Amino acid sequence: KAGVTQTPRYLIKTRGQQVTLSCSPISGHRSVSWYQQTPGQGLQFLFEYFSETQRNKGNFPGRFSGRQFSNSRSEMNVSTLELGDSALYLCASTSGGAADTQYFGPGTRLTVL
Amino acid sequence: AQSVAQPEDQVNVAEGNPLTVKCTYSVSGNPYLFWYVQYPNRGLQFLLKYITGDNLVKGSYGFEAEFNKSQTSFHLKKPSALVSDSALYFCAVRDIRSGGYQKVTFGTGTKLQVIP
Repeated sequence: KAGVTQTPRYLIKTRGQQVTLSCSPISGHRSVSWYQQTPGQGLQFLFEYFSETQRNKGNFPGRFSGRQFSNSRSEMNVSTLELGDSALYLCASTSGGAADTQYFGPGTRLTVL
Repeated sequence: AQSVAQPEDQVNVAEGNPLTVKCTYSVSGNPYLFWYVQYPNRGLQFLLKYITGDNLVKGSYGFEAEFNKSQTSFHLKKPSALVSDSALYFCAVRDIRSGGYQKVTFGTGTKLQVIP
């Protein structure tokens, strides 16, 4: 079974631009969560989607948004990029149950110049 | 609100010695607890989880963890460390209580360095 895939793997943007990241979950998984990882803050939860509905949301500004499609693929968008948005963005998929293990993708490394 | 703490930013251990990576948590209800490992430039890989039942959980690569409800801890252990165990380790918790489906909260991570 193929794992979680994320595209692109690396991105370089400049301040003020916007960016869209994509995540394809494991086949059959209906839940996708997004995390921001930085050296100082660890993993910060962005949001979780289950069956195209946002089920949970972290404490990030409205510049961060996401969506999930009917095939469970998910995208997250960051508008008006700031230098502090430079991070590794990870997505994780599960079947959707509370006890389920999250399976992580390799991440997208975003650098904002 | 749920939270998880990993009090050590880094743990150093000699190869062949036992290792412990500490994790404590705080929840309103009952916890589901997880350990993940991250190698450089990679995503997180699942090691083990506690859902219910036996307090001692065995996982991948010879790792185990003990759930201690009175001390609200879930420390990760391995009897004999390998150099290849050197990585970043994350503890995570999901609060199981009424009122909806809760997110998973991760600790800040502990860097394990196994010295040859």
